[in-house]
Amino acid sequence: QKEVEQNSGPLSVPEGAIASLNCTYSDRGSQSFFWYRQYSGKSPELIMFIYSNGDKEDGRFTAQLNKASQYVSLLIRDSQPSDSATYLCAGNGGSQGNLIFGKGTKLSVKP
Amino acid sequence: DTAVSQTPKYLVTQMGNDKSIKCEQNLGHDTMYWYKQDSKKFLKIMFSYNNKELIINETVPNRFSPKSPDKAHLNLHINSLELGDSAVYFCASSQGWGNTYYGYTFGSGTRLTVV
Repeated sequence: QKEVEQNSGPLSVPEGAIASLNCTYSDRGSQSFFWYRQYSGKSPELIMFIYSNGDKEDGRFTAQLNKASQYVSLLIRDSQPSDSATYLCAGNGGSQGNLIFGKGTKLSVKP
Repeated sequence: DTAVSQTPKYLVTQMGNDKSIKCEQNLGHDTMYWYKQDSKKFLKIMFSYNNKELIINETVPNRFSPKSPDKAHLNLHINSLELGDSAVYFCASSQGWGNTYYGYTFGSGTRLTVV
């Protein structure tokens, strides 16, 4: 069974620190990876996607992909209390190329 | 101007009832999905339609029946509701299917509570 694994947390970091969220995937055929942010009671919101090995930066967010290790990560620099949410990692490893989601990591940024 | 809209937002119903959830997207996408999110936040795909054609039908009870009258609409009908059906149901859409590079846009969700 194809899976995307995440540490459920909670991960707690102080305001201004770097939050590091990690994800591994089982299907080597997966090509694209996505990070979604989900606030409590809200829908998932796409914040980053990556499909090439290496780093991709967008503002305070950096996504990293290592296909050899089947590992994806999301770094959040200068973490803010408003970053407190559950972060969902997803890869397109489904039977029809659909997204398979991890169980999410809950991030708490303390003021 | 909501991109993916679902109705209703909340649904409380008794066991054994039949209910429907509606979804509409105005993004011009050709693929739509139903995902179920349990209490532990795990999102699991249920169904997917591409241009009104069913392309994904995961192992869900046949009490759940999707219907796509056109590529902008996807509905979910649930018969004989059970306590275990309580969850948040998300509709999503994307352009194209299979190895999509652009991810999905999610609706606001329908919180179904079966009592």
